[in-house]
Amino acid sequence: AQSVTQLDSQVPVFEEAPVELRCNYSSSVSVYLFWYVQYPNQGLQLLLKYLSGSTLVKGINGFEAEFNKSQTSFHLRKPSVHISDTAEYFCAVRKAFGNEKLTFGTGTRLTIIP
Amino acid sequence: DGGITQSPKYLFRKEGQNVTLSCEQNLNHDAMYWYRQDPGQGLRLIYYSQIVNDFQKGDIAEGYSVSREKKESFPLTVTSAQKNPTAFYLCASISTGELFFGEGSRLTVL
Repeated sequence: AQSVTQLDSQVPVFEEAPVELRCNYSSSVSVYLFWYVQYPNQGLQLLLKYLSGSTLVKGINGFEAEFNKSQTSFHLRKPSVHISDTAEYFCAVRKAFGNEKLTFGTGTRLTIIP
Repeated sequence: DGGITQSPKYLFRKEGQNVTLSCEQNLNHDAMYWYRQDPGQGLRLIYYSQIVNDFQKGDIAEGYSVSREKKESFPLTVTSAQKNPTAFYLCASISTGELFFGEGSRLTVL
């Protein structure tokens, strides 16, 4: 089975500073990886995904993530954050083939400090 | 516009009552999912359905039931057997590995 660990439950960052949200996964087979964002009392919205190809993936709102197979990581980064980036961020993993169930991490709450 | 519609957005229930959460999609997706979200625990899978008239238990199915009579609809019933039903419930459908979520339903048991 797959699992996902988001090491930081809360990350405070000053506005216009860079941010990295960490995600590590565990799986015995090839995986697809995702980052989702959730604003208060809303559903989740896809930020970006890694299915194959280039290990550097660019998403919406200026976010990017790098798939590192040797370190089993998929960290999310943004070079300069904005107040509107305040939200909860979830990393998710699923097997590359077969059953399409996603396994989610516990989430990281990103708070932008003006 | 295509998407997933969940209703109601907020729901209050007395202990011992069953309640049904609606989930409708017009994305023509085959697979649909129900997740439960609690603070600090991320999303946990309750039930999923990969095709009409078929569904499987997820990780926390006890106290819940579903049906999938139509491709567009995947309602979730929270029964009185669910010990701690107060939570935020999210419905989703999937296409090429990407989950599309509804806006969620917040259930509070009084």
